[in-house]
Amino acid sequence: EDQVTQSPEALRLQEGESSSLNCSYTVSGLRGLFWYRQDPGKGPEFLFTLYSAGEEKEKERLKATLTKKESFLHITAPKPEDSATYLCAVRASGGSYIPTFGRGTSLIVHP
Amino acid sequence: KAGVTQTPRYLIKTRGQQVTLSCSPISGHRSVSWYQQTPGQGLQFLFEYFSETQRNKGNFPGRFSGRQFSNSRSEMNVSTLELGDSALYLCASSSGAKNIQYFGAGTRLSVL
Repeated sequence: EDQVTQSPEALRLQEGESSSLNCSYTVSGLRGLFWYRQDPGKGPEFLFTLYSAGEEKEKERLKATLTKKESFLHITAPKPEDSATYLCAVRASGGSYIPTFGRGTSLIVHP
Repeated sequence: KAGVTQTPRYLIKTRGQQVTLSCSPISGHRSVSWYQQTPGQGLQFLFEYFSETQRNKGNFPGRFSGRQFSNSRSEMNVSTLELGDSALYLCASSSGAKNIQYFGAGTRLSVL
């Protein structure tokens, strides 16, 4: 069974204090790893897809990296508007197209 | 391009009632998936429809059902509502080999 574990569950940062969120996964053949951002009361917003170990993607202050067992979402010099819940999901090769989601990391950035 | 549209945004129902939620996918997307999101369980997959056929199903009771129309719009129905059905119901559409799911804003269902 595919499993996704995100840590920490919650993270509080000061504005400008860089940090990383972790997504550990167990899947029988990775078809894709997805990062989403979710604001309160809204649907998840797609950020990145990573497909193979060593791959990196960047968007503004966010950088996602991938190894064979985990992915990191690095947040450089965060701002209060980066406060949100960040969700990680994996899709396995073969079988259904449905991704398995982690429980998310709730990030709060204080000014 | 318009995003995924879910209606209504909010619903209040009482136990025993039934409810129908609607989802209009991104134009050209043929796959529509439904999820239930609660603080305790996170995002849980309900079912997926592709070209009017249910392609995948999660572990939810038969009270939860759905359908997809020829224009890819989808509806989800929950019968005999229970208090535990209170949640944010999310619809996502996808297309192509990369199968990236794009989510709507969700329908917040409260069962009293």
